[in-house]
Amino acid sequence: DQQVKQNSPSLSVQEGRISILNCDYTNSMFDYFLWYKKYPAEGPTFLISISSIKDKNEDGRFTVFLNKSAKHLSLHIVPSQPGDSAVYFCAASASSNYQLIWGAGTKLIIKP
Amino acid sequence: EAQVTQNPRYLITVTGKKLTVTCSQNMNHEYMSWYRQDPGLGLRQIYYSMNVEVTDKGDVPEGYKVSRKEKRNFPLILESPSPNQTSLYFCASSSPGLALPDTQYFGPGTRLTVL
Repeated sequence: DQQVKQNSPSLSVQEGRISILNCDYTNSMFDYFLWYKKYPAEGPTFLISISSIKDKNEDGRFTVFLNKSAKHLSLHIVPSQPGDSAVYFCAASASSNYQLIWGAGTKLIIKP
Repeated sequence: EAQVTQNPRYLITVTGKKLTVTCSQNMNHEYMSWYRQDPGLGLRQIYYSMNVEVTDKGDVPEGYKVSRKEKRNFPLILESPSPNQTSLYFCASSSPGLALPDTQYFGPGTRLTVL
Protein backbone atom coordinates (compact mmCIF):
# COMPACT_ATOMS: atom_id res chain seq x y z
CA ASP A 1 0.00 0.00 0.00
CA GLN A 2 1.51 3.29 -1.11
CA GLN A 3 1.92 5.76 1.74
CA VAL A 4 2.55 8.68 -0.61
CA LYS A 5 0.25 9.05 -3.59
CA GLN A 6 0.36 11.29 -6.60
CA ASN A 7 -2.87 10.48 -8.32
CA SER A 8 -2.26 12.43 -11.53
CA PRO A 9 0.28 10.67 -13.75
CA SER A 10 0.42 13.71 -16.01
CA LEU A 11 -0.68 17.34 -16.18
CA SER A 12 -0.68 19.75 -19.11
CA VAL A 13 -0.62 23.52 -18.47
CA GLN A 14 -0.37 26.56 -20.71
CA GLU A 15 2.81 28.61 -20.43
CA GLY A 16 2.33 31.54 -18.06
CA ARG A 17 -0.53 29.91 -16.13
CA ILE A 18 -0.40 28.28 -12.73
CA SER A 19 0.59 24.61 -12.38
CA ILE A 20 -0.76 22.77 -9.34
CA LEU A 21 0.63 19.35 -8.50
CA ASN A 22 -0.97 17.34 -5.73
CA CYS A 23 0.26 14.75 -3.27
CA ASP A 24 -1.59 12.79 -0.58
CA TYR A 25 -0.13 10.75 2.25
CA THR A 26 -1.52 8.25 4.70
CA ASN A 27 1.08 8.03 7.47
CA SER A 28 0.39 10.57 10.22
CA MET A 29 3.98 10.18 11.43
CA PHE A 30 5.29 11.99 8.35
CA ASP A 31 6.47 15.45 9.34
CA TYR A 32 8.78 16.52 6.55
CA PHE A 33 7.90 16.73 2.89
CA LEU A 34 9.97 17.38 -0.20
CA TRP A 35 9.41 17.94 -3.90
CA TYR A 36 11.97 16.79 -6.44
CA LYS A 37 12.09 17.51 -10.14
CA LYS A 38 13.41 15.08 -12.72
CA TYR A 39 14.38 15.64 -16.34
CA PRO A 40 14.81 12.70 -18.74
CA ALA A 41 18.19 10.92 -18.46
CA GLU A 42 19.00 12.76 -15.23
CA GLY A 43 18.59 12.03 -11.55
CA PRO A 44 15.98 13.86 -9.46
CA THR A 45 17.01 17.24 -8.09
CA PHE A 46 15.67 18.83 -4.94
CA LEU A 47 13.14 21.62 -5.48
CA ILE A 48 11.49 22.67 -2.24
CA SER A 49 10.58 21.25 1.16
CA ILE A 50 8.23 21.93 4.06
CA SER A 51 8.17 20.91 7.68
CA SER A 52 4.90 20.01 9.39
CA ILE A 53 5.24 23.03 11.68
CA LYS A 54 4.46 25.20 8.65
CA ASP A 55 1.58 25.25 6.23
CA LYS A 56 3.32 27.12 3.44
CA ASN A 57 6.82 27.53 2.07
CA GLU A 58 7.73 29.74 -0.84
CA ASP A 59 10.80 29.91 -3.05
CA GLY A 60 10.52 32.18 -6.04
CA ARG A 61 7.93 30.78 -8.45
CA PHE A 62 7.46 27.66 -6.34
CA THR A 63 5.18 27.40 -3.31
CA VAL A 64 4.33 24.28 -1.35
CA PHE A 65 1.18 24.15 0.75
CA LEU A 66 0.61 21.59 3.49
CA ASN A 67 -2.81 20.65 4.88
CA LYS A 68 -2.08 18.28 7.77
CA SER A 69 -5.70 17.57 8.62
CA ALA A 70 -6.33 16.40 5.05
CA LYS A 71 -2.90 14.77 4.75
CA HIS A 72 -2.43 16.65 1.53
CA LEU A 73 0.23 18.85 0.03
CA SER A 74 0.43 20.71 -3.23
CA LEU A 75 3.11 22.38 -5.28
CA HIS A 76 2.19 25.59 -7.10
CA ILE A 77 4.32 26.93 -9.92
CA VAL A 78 3.51 30.49 -11.00
CA PRO A 79 4.01 31.43 -13.77
CA SER A 80 4.72 28.13 -15.51
CA GLN A 81 7.63 28.16 -17.93
CA PRO A 82 8.68 25.67 -20.66
CA GLY A 83 11.70 24.64 -18.57
CA ASP A 84 9.31 23.44 -15.87
CA SER A 85 8.32 20.50 -18.06
CA ALA A 86 9.58 17.51 -16.07
CA VAL A 87 8.45 14.75 -13.74
CA TYR A 88 7.77 15.95 -10.20
CA PHE A 89 8.09 13.61 -7.24
CA CYS A 90 6.64 14.15 -3.81
CA ALA A 91 8.51 12.51 -0.91
CA ALA A 92 7.86 12.30 2.83
CA SER A 93 9.66 11.24 5.96
CA ALA A 94 9.20 10.96 9.70
CA SER A 95 11.94 12.77 11.61
CA SER A 96 12.38 9.66 13.72
CA ASN A 97 13.30 7.77 10.55
CA TYR A 98 15.56 9.23 7.93
CA GLN A 99 14.09 7.14 5.11
CA LEU A 100 12.21 9.00 2.35
CA ILE A 101 8.98 7.52 0.99
CA TRP A 102 8.27 8.57 -2.58
CA GLY A 103 5.19 9.09 -4.69
CA ALA A 104 4.95 7.73 -8.25
CA GLY A 105 5.52 11.13 -9.83
CA THR A 106 3.51 13.52 -12.03
CA LYS A 107 4.69 14.43 -15.51
CA LEU A 108 4.15 18.15 -16.07
CA ILE A 109 3.95 19.39 -19.63
CA ILE A 110 4.04 23.14 -20.25
CA LYS A 111 2.50 24.06 -23.60
CA PRO A 112 3.74 27.16 -25.43
CA GLU B 1 31.93 20.18 -9.07
CA ALA B 2 29.83 18.42 -6.43
CA GLN B 3 28.37 15.31 -7.95
CA VAL B 4 27.27 11.70 -7.65
CA THR B 5 28.52 9.46 -10.45
CA GLN B 6 27.23 6.06 -11.48
CA ASN B 7 28.66 3.49 -13.86
CA PRO B 8 27.60 2.10 -16.17
CA ARG B 9 24.77 4.33 -17.35
CA TYR B 10 23.25 1.56 -19.46
CA LEU B 11 23.64 -2.20 -19.12
CA ILE B 12 22.03 -5.16 -20.84
CA THR B 13 22.85 -8.51 -19.30
CA VAL B 14 21.53 -12.05 -19.02
CA THR B 15 19.92 -13.87 -16.13
CA GLY B 16 22.41 -15.11 -13.55
CA LYS B 17 25.45 -13.13 -14.65
CA LYS B 18 26.81 -11.24 -11.64
CA LEU B 19 27.13 -7.49 -12.07
CA THR B 20 28.14 -4.43 -10.07
CA VAL B 21 26.92 -0.87 -10.49
CA THR B 22 29.33 1.62 -9.00
CA CYS B 23 28.41 4.83 -7.20
CA SER B 24 30.79 7.52 -6.05
CA GLN B 25 30.26 10.94 -4.46
CA ASN B 26 32.74 13.76 -3.92
CA MET B 27 30.86 15.71 -1.25
CA ASN B 28 32.10 13.80 1.81
CA HIS B 29 28.52 12.76 2.57
CA GLU B 30 27.90 10.23 5.30
CA TYR B 31 24.60 8.94 3.96
CA MET B 32 24.29 7.03 0.69
CA SER B 33 21.36 5.14 -0.74
CA TRP B 34 20.25 3.05 -3.72
CA TYR B 35 16.81 3.32 -5.28
CA ARG B 36 15.04 1.67 -8.15
CA GLN B 37 12.40 3.46 -10.20
CA ASP B 38 9.64 1.52 -11.89
CA PRO B 39 6.62 2.89 -13.79
CA GLY B 40 3.75 3.79 -11.49
CA LEU B 41 5.74 3.02 -8.36
CA GLY B 42 8.05 5.99 -7.92
CA LEU B 43 11.39 5.46 -6.22
CA ARG B 44 11.78 2.55 -3.86
CA GLN B 45 14.77 2.25 -1.58
CA ILE B 46 16.92 -0.85 -1.93
CA TYR B 47 19.70 -0.31 0.62
CA TYR B 48 21.16 2.63 2.46
CA SER B 49 24.28 3.38 4.46
CA MET B 50 24.59 5.88 7.27
CA ASN B 51 28.39 5.74 7.22
CA VAL B 52 31.40 3.55 6.42
CA GLU B 53 30.79 -0.12 7.25
CA VAL B 54 27.15 0.61 8.22
CA THR B 55 24.49 -0.62 5.80
CA ASP B 56 20.78 -1.35 6.18
CA LYS B 57 17.98 -2.78 4.09
CA GLY B 58 15.44 -0.51 2.50
CA ASP B 59 12.03 -1.51 1.19
CA VAL B 60 13.12 -3.85 -1.61
CA PRO B 61 16.51 -5.41 -0.74
CA GLU B 62 15.90 -8.93 -2.07
CA GLY B 63 18.40 -9.94 -4.75
CA TYR B 64 20.81 -7.08 -4.01
CA LYS B 65 23.96 -6.58 -1.96
CA VAL B 66 25.90 -3.46 -1.07
CA SER B 67 29.13 -2.56 0.66
CA ARG B 68 30.54 0.65 2.14
CA LYS B 69 34.26 0.23 2.62
CA GLU B 70 35.04 3.86 1.83
CA LYS B 71 32.99 6.97 2.48
CA ARG B 72 32.83 8.01 -1.16
CA ASN B 73 31.83 4.67 -2.74
CA PHE B 74 28.68 2.59 -2.42
CA PRO B 75 28.51 -0.18 -5.05
CA LEU B 76 25.32 -2.13 -5.76
CA ILE B 77 25.87 -5.82 -6.45
CA LEU B 78 23.45 -8.18 -8.18
CA GLU B 79 24.84 -11.66 -7.56
CA SER B 80 22.36 -13.44 -9.83
CA PRO B 81 20.26 -10.93 -11.76
CA SER B 82 16.75 -11.85 -12.82
CA PRO B 83 14.37 -10.18 -15.32
CA ASN B 84 12.33 -8.60 -12.48
CA GLN B 85 15.40 -6.53 -11.64
CA THR B 86 15.11 -4.75 -14.96
CA SER B 87 14.71 -1.15 -13.82
CA LEU B 88 16.20 2.32 -13.60
CA TYR B 89 18.58 2.59 -10.64
CA PHE B 90 19.61 5.74 -8.80
CA CYS B 91 22.31 6.29 -6.23
CA ALA B 92 21.93 9.22 -3.85
CA SER B 93 23.94 10.83 -1.08
CA SER B 94 23.40 13.43 1.61
CA SER B 95 24.78 14.79 4.85
CA PRO B 96 21.97 14.32 7.38
CA GLY B 97 21.11 17.27 9.53
CA LEU B 98 20.71 16.97 13.26
CA ALA B 99 16.92 17.06 13.32
CA LEU B 100 15.58 16.71 9.80
CA PRO B 101 16.47 14.64 6.77
CA ASP B 102 18.59 16.67 4.45
CA THR B 103 18.05 16.83 0.72
CA GLN B 104 19.55 14.05 -1.30
CA TYR B 105 21.82 14.45 -4.31
CA PHE B 106 21.19 11.91 -7.04
CA GLY B 107 23.35 10.31 -9.66
CA PRO B 108 22.23 10.30 -13.32
CA GLY B 109 20.80 6.79 -13.15
CA THR B 110 21.68 3.35 -14.52
CA ARG B 111 19.23 1.67 -16.84
CA LEU B 112 19.55 -2.09 -16.38
CA THR B 113 17.92 -4.69 -18.61
CA VAL B 114 18.12 -8.35 -17.59
CA LEU B 115 17.20 -10.78 -20.37
